Amino acid sequence: EAEVAQSPRYKITEKSQAVAFWCDPISGHATLYWYRQILGQGPELLVQFQDESVVDDSQLPKDRFSAERLKGVDSTLKIQPAELGDSAMYLCASSFLRAETQYFGPGTRLLVL
Amino acid sequence: KQEVTQIPAALSVPEGENLVLNCSFTDSAIYNLQWFRQDPGKGLTSLLLIQSSQREQTSGRLNASLDKSSGRSTLYIAASQPGDSATYLCAVRTSNTGKLIFGQGTTLQVKP
Repeated sequence: EAEVAQSPRYKITEKSQAVAFWCDPISGHATLYWYRQILGQGPELLVQFQDESVVDDSQLPKDRFSAERLKGVDSTLKIQPAELGDSAMYLCASSFLRAETQYFGPGTRLLVL
Repeated sequence: KQEVTQIPAALSVPEGENLVLNCSFTDSAIYNLQWFRQDPGKGLTSLLLIQSSQREQTSGRLNASLDKSSGRSTLYIAASQPGDSATYLCAVRTSNTGKLIFGQGTTLQVKP
C-alpha cells in the first residue's frame, strides 16, 4: 500500500540552528500539505502545494519558515533559526485532488533545546 | 472563522461498549468532514470522509453522521476493543481548496 514518507522521524536541535524536514507524497498526488501539531492539539496547516505552486501559506511564519516543492513531487520544510516554541510534530499529507481524503505520513518530532 | 470543537477531551470505557464521539463546528457551510485516528507519537490515519450532501458513512464498526444545519458530526464505534484506544480527530473542509480545520481530538481508552 502506498504511503507518505517523511524523514527524519526525530530531530533534536538547539535554538538558533537550522533544521529541514523532507516529505515524499504518494505517487500521483498533486496536492501536498505541511501541518504542525503541538502536543494535545489538532494539526494546523502551515502550507499547501498544488504541484509545485503554493496555494495557501497564510499560517506559515515566513520570517523563519520556508517550504519548497521544486519538481512538484517531494517537498522540504525548513526552519531557520529554530526557536523553543517550534517544538512540535510536523506532519506531511497528500491527496490526489484538493478536496479528497488526505493521507498522512508518520511525522517528524522536533525538539528545540 | 470556522472553529471545530470535540467533546469530551478524554473518554474511558470498558471493552465491548458502544460509544459516540462528538464534533461540532461553528460555520455550517462546509464542503466535507473527515474523521481521523492518531496513535501516540504517530501520524494520522483517515477513517471516514463525509461529503456535505451525505448524512452518514460506514466502515466496519465505525459509523459517522453529519448534520450540517446544526453544525454537528458524531463518530459511533460499535463493540469497542482495546485496539480502538487512540486519539480521534475530526476535521472540516470549508471549501474545495483542500484546507482542513481540525478539532483538538478525543482521547479514547478502552479497558479490557
